[in-house]
Amino acid sequence: EIVMTQSPATLSVSPGERATLSCRASQSISSNLAWYQQKPGQAPRLLIYGASTRATGIPARFSGSGSGTEFTLTISSLQSEDFAVYYCQQYNNWPPRTTFGGGTKVEIK
Amino acid sequence: EVQLVESGGGVVRPGGSLRLSCAASGFTFADYGMSWVRQAPGKGLEWVSGINWNGGSTGYADSVKGRFTISRDNAKNSLYLEMNSLRAEDTALYHCAKSLPGEQWLVPGYWGQGTLVTVSS
Repeated sequence: EIVMTQSPATLSVSPGERATLSCRASQSISSNLAWYQQKPGQAPRLLIYGASTRATGIPARFSGSGSGTEFTLTISSLQSEDFAVYYCQQYNNWPPRTTFGGGTKVEIK
Repeated sequence: EVQLVESGGGVVRPGGSLRLSCAASGFTFADYGMSWVRQAPGKGLEWVSGINWNGGSTGYADSVKGRFTISRDNAKNSLYLEMNSLRAEDTALYHCAKSLPGEQWLVPGYWGQGTLVTVSS
């Protein structure tokens, strides 16, 4: 099983600052990586897939990069609505299997 | 508007069974893969199972393989999860999710609000 490790577990950032979240895969996953945002009491929302493609309706301040085993989600200028938990997910079509990272909580500094 | 409405959750004893359902609307259900993803109280996300558009490909997490079965009925726009031999660690909110199109059928692009499963004696 491919293990996804996210760091840091908690990130304290001031509004307007840049946030950089990391995700590492235990083996190469090419660009088969997605990022999600989850706010308390809500279902997760897809932000990024294919490591760097923004999902429909996602603001341009969210960007993803990386390939192989190292990936980054960057929020260029944090807005109040961006404080949430972020998860990465790797996906392989064969065998059909996917795993999530443990999450990074972005909190107000 | 895409809508995914899960049902079938509840309280069940260890070793028991439940069948979850997900009613889909607002899109052409038969064109998309679907997944079940769960979240234990206060914990992170765990993918449970996925199925491609026609049911020809399915996948399961190791933690549920052999106990859970995913299926779909495209005529009824519905997704199912048959859960047997339930354990305390299966307690979670179970989300139904619509996947991205085509080859990325394991990427949950839109999520329902979930149905709660509690396994307790």
